[in-house]
Amino acid sequence: GAVVSQHPSRVICKSGTSVKIECRSLDFQATTMFWYRQFPKKSLMLMATSNEGSKATYEQGVEKDKFLINHASLTLSTLTVTSAHPEDSSFYICSARDSGGLDSDTQYFGPGTRLTVL
Amino acid sequence: GQNIDQPTEMTATEGAIVQINCTYQTSGFNGLFWYQQHAGEAPTFLSYNVLDGLEEKGRFSSFLSRSKGYSYLLLKELQMKDSASYLCAPMDSNYQLIWGAGTKLIIKP
Repeated sequence: GAVVSQHPSRVICKSGTSVKIECRSLDFQATTMFWYRQFPKKSLMLMATSNEGSKATYEQGVEKDKFLINHASLTLSTLTVTSAHPEDSSFYICSARDSGGLDSDTQYFGPGTRLTVL
Repeated sequence: GQNIDQPTEMTATEGAIVQINCTYQTSGFNGLFWYQQHAGEAPTFLSYNVLDGLEEKGRFSSFLSRSKGYSYLLLKELQMKDSASYLCAPMDSNYQLIWGAGTKLIIKP
């Protein structure tokens, strides 16, 4: 089946530093990838939609200058949390849509990245 | 507006059957997904329904009624490992998943 990986799986950083999270589709091409954030005991919150070769579309309330998204290839999207603060600590999950699959609407989720900002 | 309604929590016994209901309101509709999420992990895909009716996949089945804005996930022969949250996620006209808070399913021996 389609596999999406994220790296790193867990990261701890100091306040004020920047953290990059990678999302890769391992065995399929994904023109569209999504970045979610999950707060404890709450549902996933869509942060942005990443389209290969173009600018990401951010959801209302998500700061595009703070959460930089780059989707430079059909298998890789990156989320950079710039000048991270403790309130940015969360579980970040990406998903990818298989562009060439029979079920092209299905999103395959990455395992998530747990960010802790001290 | 867009809205998802699922029970917050359900409890069932190992070996039994449980049905998790979901009602939804979305701007357009392009199918509905069910995901399973264990605590601390990303959701994993369970099923996708775009046409009315029942889709069976092993111990799990999913039903959809588009006219009623209603879906359910049926889990048979419950196992302890089925203890997890189950997320109902319809897809709107922009092909984005609309997430609810999910149903926490507790399986007791």
